[in-house]
Amino acid sequence: GNSVTQMEGPVTLSEEAFLTINCTYTATGYPSLFWYVQYPGEGLQLLLKATKADDKGSNKGFEATYRKETTSFHLEKGSVQVSDSAVYFCATYGGSQGNLIFGKGTKLSVKP
Amino acid sequence: GAVVSQHPSRVICKSGTSVKIECRSLDFQATTMFWYRQFPKQSLMLMATSNEGSKATYEQGVEKDKFLINHASLTLSTLTVTSAHPEDSSFYICSARTGVSNQPQHFGDGTRLSIL
Repeated sequence: GNSVTQMEGPVTLSEEAFLTINCTYTATGYPSLFWYVQYPGEGLQLLLKATKADDKGSNKGFEATYRKETTSFHLEKGSVQVSDSAVYFCATYGGSQGNLIFGKGTKLSVKP
Repeated sequence: GAVVSQHPSRVICKSGTSVKIECRSLDFQATTMFWYRQFPKQSLMLMATSNEGSKATYEQGVEKDKFLINHASLTLSTLTVTSAHPEDSSFYICSARTGVSNQPQHFGDGTRLSIL
């Protein structure tokens, strides 16, 4: 089945630093790809998505491009803020029930 | 739009009690709801999938008699952890989807269950 693999953290950055969190996928065809964010003690929020190859998803300064050549969907942000501190999950459809399956999550800590 | 409400947000109870967690879709009809479990510092693992009016489909290794799932209406699914024990302590998150499998999943805020 489909799967995603993301870099393991934690990642610690200073405010205004550049962020990259790598995610690669293995899939039959080209399923939609997602990045979810989980703030401490909360559930998951959809951050951005891309539904087909070469699509770029963007939201709140974050971007990710669906690249079929490298089977990747890396999350980037040019200038992180302390409020971006959270756990980020890469996800795609792939379960037997058509459900989302998630990477292991990458914890980001941004220091002032 | 597409709001999913999960209640309660936190439960602390004694070993041996049963705990019910509700998941409601507030502004859409959820034909399918998913229940995930998240261990500390780990990813979300799908426990079961419920379709309105049907029996839930459980993932391998999940005890269906331990984790009872009911999806009696298009806006409500419940997860009951029966005779809970400390090893059941975890973060449980529900997700709801309408229609076919390529529709987005919308997540609740999760329930932190602590069994003493």
